[in-house]
Formats: sequence, structure tokens, C-alpha cells
Amino acid sequence: GAGVSQTPSNKVTEKGKYVELRCDPISGHTALYWYRQSLGQGPEFLIYFQGTGAADDSGLPNDRFFAVRPEGSVSTLKIQRTERGDSAVYLCASSTSGARHNEQFFGPGTRLTVL
Amino acid sequence: AQSVTQLGSHVSVSEGALVLLRCNYSSSVPPYLFWYVQYPNQGLQLLLKYTSAATLVKGINGFEAEFKKSETSFHLTKPSAHMSDAAEYFCAVSDRSNYQLIWGAGTKLIIKP
Repeated sequence: GAGVSQTPSNKVTEKGKYVELRCDPISGHTALYWYRQSLGQGPEFLIYFQGTGAADDSGLPNDRFFAVRPEGSVSTLKIQRTERGDSAVYLCASSTSGARHNEQFFGPGTRLTVL
Repeated sequence: AQSVTQLGSHVSVSEGALVLLRCNYSSSVPPYLFWYVQYPNQGLQLLLKYTSAATLVKGINGFEAEFKKSETSFHLTKPSAHMSDAAEYFCAVSDRSNYQLIWGAGTKLIIKP
């Protein structure tokens, strides 16, 4: 079956521009997570959705970052006024529910480069 | 705050040798613990997880890990390395009080022929 997909796979933008990163979770998965992974580091939690609502957005670094999941399926991570420090791989994961012991299924990531 | 430490950013073993990747966590209560693997140009994939049942957990591809509360460790082992095991391995912990996965920095496993 189809796994988690993310588009685009690569995004190059200029400092100050706005970007949107898209995540298509596995069908039927109610929980969706966004992470950011910088070179040489493990993923860093950004936000967790249960259905349409953000149940935990404590990992968003500042108010330039925002994410939505309006119909409880596809999610979009939005970054305003991008900075060079935002360059990283952005990972999306989904799971069958928000139970903390559940396996999270990851997409291949979107590599964001801010010039 | 929760933290995860993976000792060694790179581990090199010969094909057929024992694989040991170390993971230590900090937590005031027993957490849920995970090992994920990332093959080149692929997404993260779950190897195994500890959820307070048996302390010795078996995963895919012959890997296993043992939860040791007294040592706050969850080291990953495989008796005999195979070339296909070359990948980056991440240990992660889920605190029972929130939904976040806290990750180690990863260990890149290199297999020598």
C-alpha cells in the first residue's frame, strides 16, 4: 500500500521567501507529526496533529512556522520569511492513533535549502 | 527534560561480527523506547520498540535490544553483521507525559567486507 508521501522532495528558496511543504499520510491514520532534521542530528519534533487539530505545537521554533491539517488527512507546513537557519530536511510521519507507543511511519522528507 | 544519547556517531564492524549500538536515555519514569533505521535515500523505518512488556525486544532483520532500567540503557545488537545493515540508526524515547519523540543524534553503521 501507499506510504507517507511528501512534496516537493527538494525545495530551494531565497531568504525572506514563503514556502509550503506538503505531507500525505497513510490513509486512515489519524495522527500526523512534523519533524525537522539538520545535518548530523536526529529529528527534532515540531508539531503533532490528532485529526484536524494541533494537539501539541510546542516544537515550532517561532511564529514564522505554522502547520494545518484542515480535513484530517493532508497537512501543510508553512514557513514565512525563511532564514538560512531553516535549511534542513523536514520529515512527516503518521500513525494509526496518537497512542505514544504506536509506530510512526515516515515519509522520505523534503530537503529545504534557503540561500 | 528528556534526552537521548547515542555513543559513537560512526561504528565500523566487519561482516559477520557482532553489532552493538549504544543508547542511553534520561527519564524519571520508564518511557517507551524505539530504534529506527534510515537506509540511504529512504525514510525512517521502525526496527523495534519497548513498551513495558518483555525487556528483551526482538525486531526486524535479526536485531534485538534490551531495556535495562538500572542503567537507563536500550542498546541495539545483532549477532552477525551483514553488508545490507549499513545504514544510520536512531534511538528515540517517548515520554509517557507527552506525544513527542525525543531522538538521539544517530549512529552510522559501516560494514567492512
